[in-house]
Amino acid sequence: DTEVTQTPKHLVMGMTNKKSLKCEQHMGHRAMYWYKQKAKKPPELMFVYSYEKLSINESVPSRFSPECPNSSLLNLHLHALQPEDSALYLCASSPRAGGHDNEQFFGPGTRLTVL
Amino acid sequence: GQNIDQPTEMTATEGAIVQINCTYQTSGFNGLFWYQQHAGEAPTFLSYNVLDGLEEKGRFSSFLSRSKGYSYLLLKELQMKDSASYLCAVRLLRGGGATNKLIFGTGTLLAVQP
Repeated sequence: DTEVTQTPKHLVMGMTNKKSLKCEQHMGHRAMYWYKQKAKKPPELMFVYSYEKLSINESVPSRFSPECPNSSLLNLHLHALQPEDSALYLCASSPRAGGHDNEQFFGPGTRLTVL
Repeated sequence: GQNIDQPTEMTATEGAIVQINCTYQTSGFNGLFWYQQHAGEAPTFLSYNVLDGLEEKGRFSSFLSRSKGYSYLLLKELQMKDSASYLCAVRLLRGGGATNKLIFGTGTLLAVQP
């Protein structure tokens, strides 16, 4: 199994809703990442988990709450989002968080629309 | 701050060769990646350079010069399916080397024409 899966593929939510994005990998990778990508822009790093511990938080607003229940799963809990948070949310994983030869494998993303 | 620049758009002809340049000014360089991204899809890994020189991988090659802060991706025998965005990404070290972080360039949208 050499892929990262993400659910749902598309999500439409109101500003008062609470929803979660899910990411899963079974490659034995110990680092997992959340990125946000706006249209025609490059991905921007949000969070990095290393060995199920939060390693990097790129000053992301608290309305985004990451969670890593185990080494295969990564969630992103969403609450009270704004319309400008509408974007493609990409999950990625790599064998480790540090060192060399750590190619990141990306999931297909969740297309989020906030109304 | 971190700065990674690529041309916004390029056009090339099927069967030809195209070179996509990337220049960077970053702190804590720990390697450079090239990714391909089709519209609405996830980025897929193409190549990786950490030392100076050329890395060849089938129709794709990537070159790095760390002293010049410069890399390029070379695509040979272009095919229509190569029409996509090409992202240059620099890996930085954080937290005393414990964690890598990828900073992506602005991306180059390549259109391959018949």
